[in-house]
Amino acid sequence: GDSVTQMEGPVTLSEEAFLTINCTYTATGYPSLFWYVQYPGEGLQLLLKATKADDKGSNKGFEATYRKETTSFHLEKGSVQVSDSAVYFCAYTGSSNTGKLIFGQGTTLQVKP
Amino acid sequence: GAVVSQHPSRVICKSGTSVKIECRSLDFQATTMFWYRQFPKQSLMLMATSNEGSKATYEQGVEKDKFLINHASLTLSTLTVTSAHPEDSSFYICSARAGDSRFYNEQFFGPGTRLTVL
Repeated sequence: GDSVTQMEGPVTLSEEAFLTINCTYTATGYPSLFWYVQYPGEGLQLLLKATKADDKGSNKGFEATYRKETTSFHLEKGSVQVSDSAVYFCAYTGSSNTGKLIFGQGTTLQVKP
Repeated sequence: GAVVSQHPSRVICKSGTSVKIECRSLDFQATTMFWYRQFPKQSLMLMATSNEGSKATYEQGVEKDKFLINHASLTLSTLTVTSAHPEDSSFYICSARAGDSRFYNEQFFGPGTRLTVL
């Protein structure tokens, strides 16, 4: 069935460190892929997306490339800030045609000054 | 553009009462709205999918008589938690999908509603 696997957290980094959060998915066809960010006590905000293979989504210094051959969509940022501390969710549109999103379990990022 | 609001943001109620949560798309028409539940430090669990003017489709294990969903217009969906109990306490998040090619396959999320049942 449809599923998303994210690396387990929490991930703790010092400011200006390099960030990678791994995400792999199981799906048939060509889903759209997303990264969402959730700050404490808030709803989800779309961070970036990619709708076809080899697309690179980018926003606020974060990037992720749609790798169909490895069914991955790893999130990267070259230099994290304290304000990036949040929970990050990888998601994709499942195999059904309903528009349902399949979410990973979320990865907590803590950035220390 | 593509803003989704929820009301209320926080509600505390007594056990046995019903609570209604509203989800509105402010600047676009939402052909489909989704309701999620999130437990502390966990991912989002999809509860149901609603399309304007038709009955909601509930995920397995979600009681449709307990979580009533109405999607009366292209900009409003409501979730009513009937006869709420402490175990219904959670963070409820809605999202909306636009019937617009600009936002292909993208869902826009509301800020969430924190429900506490005493």
